[in-house]
Amino acid sequence: GAVVSQHPSRVICKSGTSVKIECRSLDFQATTMFWYRQFPKQSLMLMATSNEGSKATYEQGVEKDKFLINHASLTLSTLTVTSAHPEDSSFYICSAWGQGRATDTQYFGPGTRLTVL
Amino acid sequence: DAKTTQPPSMDCAEGRAANLPCNHSTISGNEYVYWYRQIHSQGPQYIIHGLKNNETNEMASLIITEDRKSSTLILPHATLRDTAVYYCIVRVVGSTGNQFYFGTGTSLTVIP
Repeated sequence: GAVVSQHPSRVICKSGTSVKIECRSLDFQATTMFWYRQFPKQSLMLMATSNEGSKATYEQGVEKDKFLINHASLTLSTLTVTSAHPEDSSFYICSAWGQGRATDTQYFGPGTRLTVL
Repeated sequence: DAKTTQPPSMDCAEGRAANLPCNHSTISGNEYVYWYRQIHSQGPQYIIHGLKNNETNEMASLIITEDRKSSTLILPHATLRDTAVYYCIVRVVGSTGNQFYFGTGTSLTVIP
C-alpha cells in the first residue's frame, strides 16, 4: 500500500517554543492532506484540510494562527505548532489523499507524539 | 461531526469471525462508508470501503444494508493481531473536497 511518513515521531519541547512536523507521501502525489489530533483514549479529531498550493481549511475551534499548515508540494505538508503550551501535548497524525491510486482512500502517517513541558 | 455510531467494545475468540456493526442512518446517497483500524499509538490503517454493494478484500468483508443506514465489517478469522480500535467513517464531500470525521470507534479484543 501507499506510504506516508511523519517526522519527527516524538518531540519534547519547552513551553513557548514552536515545533514543526513534516508529513510526506513517499510513493504517490497527494493533492490533499489532512491533519488530525488525538488525545489519550479519544478518537481522532480533524484539525484541517490542506490542498496543494492553497491555504488550509481549518475545522471550527482550531486556531489557524497557532497551527500553521503549509502544503507547498504534492508530497509534503508541514504543521507548525507555534508557541506551544502543555495543553498542546497530543498525538498528531497526518493523512494523504492519493491521486491516481488504485484505492480511493486516504493513507495515514505513523503519527507524532508531542510533549510540551 | 461524525455521522456514525458504533458499540464501544467487543470481544471475539481467536479463529472466529468478528462482526463489527456500524449505524449511519443519516448517510447521503453519494457518501461512502470507510473502515479503518488503529493499533495503540500508531496511525490508522485502511481496511475497506464501499458505497452500496458488498465488498471483500484480503483483510475483510463489508456488508452494507440495502437502505444504507448500517453496515457490518467482518473479519473472517480473527487473530490476536486484529486487536485494535475499529473506526467506521462516512466520507463527506465538503467545500474543500473529501473529509473524514472519526467517531468513537469499537475497541475489539481478540481472546486466545
